[in-house]
Amino acid sequence: QKEVEQDPGPLSVPEGAIVSLNCTYSNSAFQYFMWYRQYSRKGPELLMYTYSSGNKEDGRFTAQVDKSSKYISLFIRDSQPSDSATYLCAMSTPGNTPLVFGKGTRLSVIA
Amino acid sequence: DAGVIQSPRHEVTEMGQEVTLRCKPISGHNSLFWYRQTMMRGLELLIYFNNNVPIDDSGMPEDRFSAKMPNASFSTLKIQPSEPRDSAVYFCASSSLDRDYTGELFFGEGSRLTVL
Repeated sequence: QKEVEQDPGPLSVPEGAIVSLNCTYSNSAFQYFMWYRQYSRKGPELLMYTYSSGNKEDGRFTAQVDKSSKYISLFIRDSQPSDSATYLCAMSTPGNTPLVFGKGTRLSVIA
Repeated sequence: DAGVIQSPRHEVTEMGQEVTLRCKPISGHNSLFWYRQTMMRGLELLIYFNNNVPIDDSGMPEDRFSAKMPNASFSTLKIQPSEPRDSAVYFCASSSLDRDYTGELFFGEGSRLTVL
């Protein structure tokens, strides 16, 4: 079992839809949870970061962490064509250890 | 403010040739990471350096791969000899080790390698 599992999609939704992206993980030592967004032919860039269970909201984006279930989610409200990208979950343990990434979910928002 | 700079952006080479990928991290960052991305395997960590010292190279697939960081502002990833299965996008990323370190990485735009 990989440390981080993420459904690769692809996921195609109409503009304005609510999108839910998910990752599960097996290492209970993970404390920092991130979502990266990667546009085509670009490097990943940090979208959201959280270190506690619960929800964190930033505009149309909400990151949710459930440590008891080892499950994290990213919700996108009122999705836009500009949200079309690959979304990668990433997580790390304390102590200067590298991020472990999911394989990424490719999202297309159709106008 | 310059981000992580990688070169070349694209490289097409023939099997058996040597490939050298270059990276300039963000000024002031003291950790540098090399990742490889493919459709099948996603983003895989190859090697990372803290303060120019290699910390973990267990992700380097074979002895054909080597990485160096001679100073805080430059790193190379070398493949010799290259093989078609090395075709991928190679990303360099940097971060700052400090008291509030969370693991956030800043990525370059990648070097797309095609080995024929």
